Amino acid sequence: DGGITQSPKYLFRKEGQNVTLSCEQNLNHDAMYWYRQDPGQGLRLIYYSQIVNDFQKGDIAEGYSVSREKKESFPLTVTSAQKNPTAFYLCASSIPDRADTQYFGPGTRLTVL
Amino acid sequence: AQTVTQSQPEMSVQEAETVTLSCTYDTSENNYYLFWYKQPPSRQMILVIRQEAYKQQNATENRFSVNFQKAAKSFSLKISDSQLGDTAMYFCAFMKFKANSGYALNFGKGTSLLVTP
Repeated sequence: DGGITQSPKYLFRKEGQNVTLSCEQNLNHDAMYWYRQDPGQGLRLIYYSQIVNDFQKGDIAEGYSVSREKKESFPLTVTSAQKNPTAFYLCASSIPDRADTQYFGPGTRLTVL
Repeated sequence: AQTVTQSQPEMSVQEAETVTLSCTYDTSENNYYLFWYKQPPSRQMILVIRQEAYKQQNATENRFSVNFQKAAKSFSLKISDSQLGDTAMYFCAFMKFKANSGYALNFGKGTSLLVTP
């Protein structure tokens, strides 16, 4: 089945550690996005990538990094510089000629211990 | 910057009744997209309905319809014949291509809808 997968579903991190969240899609989509969701809030854009080997910062990129070496994959690293990383993280993708439709993965819940 | 406001943090409706969720937005753009997304307890984001700003006709998807008032910058969602499975958080979202964020979505804070038997 085509879709977007995110792993792990739950992730625990000690303070000072970097962690990487996985996002994979087999929809052949060019564009991929990372959003963060906090309780009582909508989603906020962290990073996005329109094509392989290119990505741009979103509204809340500080403390995060990404790579886009393959079309199917867009991993997000939460670094120790992110002061409040506990949140729900959602990955999405879209095709250029239907950029108005984004498909979301199931999300990863990150908790800092 | 575009802002999206959902003024109803929580709402409830009885099964089979109709409910309307409110959304207003602020933009200086003329061409854009508006969306309603549903997030059930599983937390999967599901697209409910989409509206292109250049279309005057209100979008409909089965029991879901919108009232799009471009001049008033209002985009409400009407759910008819509410079902228990409609219980979820509903997010209104705005999209316009921007150089620093591509086609990223700009979300409101959401409305929690509870459908009761």
